[in-house]
Amino acid sequence: GAVVSQHPSRVICKSGTSVKIECRSLDFQATTMFWYRQFPKKSLMLMATSNEGSKATYEQGVEKDKFLINHASLTLSTLTVTSAHPEDSSFYICSARDLGGGADTQYFGPGTRLTVL
Amino acid sequence: QQQVKQSPQSLIVQKGGIPIINCAYENTAFDYFPWYQQFPGKGPALLIAIRPDVSEKKEGRFTISFNKSAKQFSLHIMDSQPGDSATYFCAASGGFQKLVFGTGTRLLVSP
Repeated sequence: GAVVSQHPSRVICKSGTSVKIECRSLDFQATTMFWYRQFPKKSLMLMATSNEGSKATYEQGVEKDKFLINHASLTLSTLTVTSAHPEDSSFYICSARDLGGGADTQYFGPGTRLTVL
Repeated sequence: QQQVKQSPQSLIVQKGGIPIINCAYENTAFDYFPWYQQFPGKGPALLIAIRPDVSEKKEGRFTISFNKSAKQFSLHIMDSQPGDSATYFCAASGGFQKLVFGTGTRLLVSP
């Protein structure tokens, strides 16, 4: 299967600072990437859909000014958590859509554990 | 109508057993049904996926059964091993739209 990487895998930051998480599709081009948040022992919660070259589409209840998404190339999307607070601590996972061969398959990154002190 | 209902929430089987995880959906526009496996602290990994034009798909020890009329699909794991202990998520999407995930099933395969 296709490979999606995320960086960093873990990050600890102080309250009020901003944190950037990168998501890369390593062996395919992804016009669409997705950002999820996952709480312990819970399912994945879609935060936003990131389309290359256009503005992200945010799910209801997700603050777009707090969670900035940029999809500048076909292999890279970034999520910036601005002015982070302890309640933003979570596991953030990206996925990239592979439309190769006419299929529609989402491959997930390994996730980023964010801890805000 | 966008929900995917998954059961059971947790499941314990002995090594060699065949755990079965079930999912049900309402949206008839869904046409893609993947299953993901997630280990603690890791991202979900695509296991197997099916489209409505077939009723069953096998990949190794993993089998998806699909019942279009009942709007249900299930995952069977043959000859389960302790290494299969993980959380399994079903999902559904239609028309190249976003995936809708089930609530997950925590599987424990005892030695």
